[in-house]
Amino acid sequence: DAKTTQPNSMESNEEEPVHLPCNHSTISGTDYIHWYRQLPSQGPEYVIHGLTSNVNNRMASLAIAEDRKSSTLILHRATLRDAAVYYCILRERGDYKLSFGAGTTVTVRA
Amino acid sequence: GAVVSQHPSRVICKSGTSVKIECRSLDFQATTMFWYRQFPKQSLMLMATSNEGSKATYEQGVEKDKFLINHASLTLSTLTVTSAHPEDSSFYICSASSPVYSNQPQHFGDGTRLSIL
Repeated sequence: DAKTTQPNSMESNEEEPVHLPCNHSTISGTDYIHWYRQLPSQGPEYVIHGLTSNVNNRMASLAIAEDRKSSTLILHRATLRDAAVYYCILRERGDYKLSFGAGTTVTVRA
Repeated sequence: GAVVSQHPSRVICKSGTSVKIECRSLDFQATTMFWYRQFPKQSLMLMATSNEGSKATYEQGVEKDKFLINHASLTLSTLTVTSAHPEDSSFYICSASSPVYSNQPQHFGDGTRLSIL
């Protein structure tokens, strides 16, 4: 399975943007890049996903490198409610499974 | 609102008892559901894939006779931890996804915290 590498933790100030990097140098052409987050004592929550082009939704933006070997999740204005563990996951086309790594723990300072 | 409902949210019981956890998809029919386990300060580990109308597929190292999965309808999957012991104490989470588009998001329940005394 193609794997991802994320920093263990990141800190941000409230109202400031957060850029979460993810390296996936062994990504294949049919792998989608998915991001989920998990708030304390809750199940994970879908954030965003993409294949080649950058993607935006109400929660975040996903910037995908041209060679697709890395991507960045962008939270435009962090709030205290964004404090969570963020997981970057590669998901092969047609595969329902999600394999969770350690993720990045995001702390937001008031 | 929540699209996957998990019940109960917390269970505390004695060693040796069996515990059933329910996972319901509220807004769509789910032919496939997933069961995960998460120990403190660790990531989610997939235990099994629950398929409506057929046997579940278990990940390597997960005992199928200990973790019984039933997916009798398109909206309900159950996980029964049989003869639970303290080492089975964990956070159990289910998820479901649309059967039509394979790259649609998975929707997760809020988890069940199981504590075996």
